[in-house]
Amino acid sequence: ETGVTQTPRHLVMGMTNKKSLKCEQHLGHNAMYWYKQSAKKPLELMFVYNFKEQTENNSVPSRFSPECPNSSHLFLHLHTLQPEDSALYLCASSGIGRDTGELFFGEGSRLTVL
Amino acid sequence: ELKVEQNPLFLSMQEGKNYTIYCNYSTTSDRLYWYRQDPGKSLESLFVLLSNGAVKQEGRLMASLDTKARLSTLHITAAVHDLSATYFCAVDRGGSEKLVFGKGTKLTVNP
Repeated sequence: ETGVTQTPRHLVMGMTNKKSLKCEQHLGHNAMYWYKQSAKKPLELMFVYNFKEQTENNSVPSRFSPECPNSSHLFLHLHTLQPEDSALYLCASSGIGRDTGELFFGEGSRLTVL
Repeated sequence: ELKVEQNPLFLSMQEGKNYTIYCNYSTTSDRLYWYRQDPGKSLESLFVLLSNGAVKQEGRLMASLDTKARLSTLHITAAVHDLSATYFCAVDRGGSEKLVFGKGTKLTVNP
């Protein structure tokens, strides 16, 4: 596999469920990101990890819990979500330092909260 | 706080016509990116502009960057239906590897 892979592609969950989104990058990058894209708002940065360390938490509610066990994998753990959390969740990766800073995105996980 | 504004947000045009999408940003940056998103799909990188005066072209699309004016343009030449998509510009916040995105321009090219 190449690029950035996200699973599952579609997820439907109730407000009391616990689920996780997974992202894996095969680009040798050191930085990984979670973005939220909903119909009514522009692309929102949620979390940033550089070399497995979280460097940004953009005021995201605690019902979203990220995990980055290594530079190639990123998870987003979901619990007690609200219907307004329904959105497309995009994972991205980038190199750092001399790299161009270009983000490479996965296909996204479409989340519906009932 | 870096703000990125695109205009127009919606653009409907006929095949064969030319048009330009504008991306303005509020603070100094010399890195700007253009992405394309098809409905239900992810974001695909189109152009990476890394210096003042940078110009890149791919097919019917050409992007340029003027860092002094804090402006980038995405010019569409002789549009075709396959260009219908949403186009986003994104600006680097400077040394932090984090991009701030515009709201996107939804382009519809009609036959």
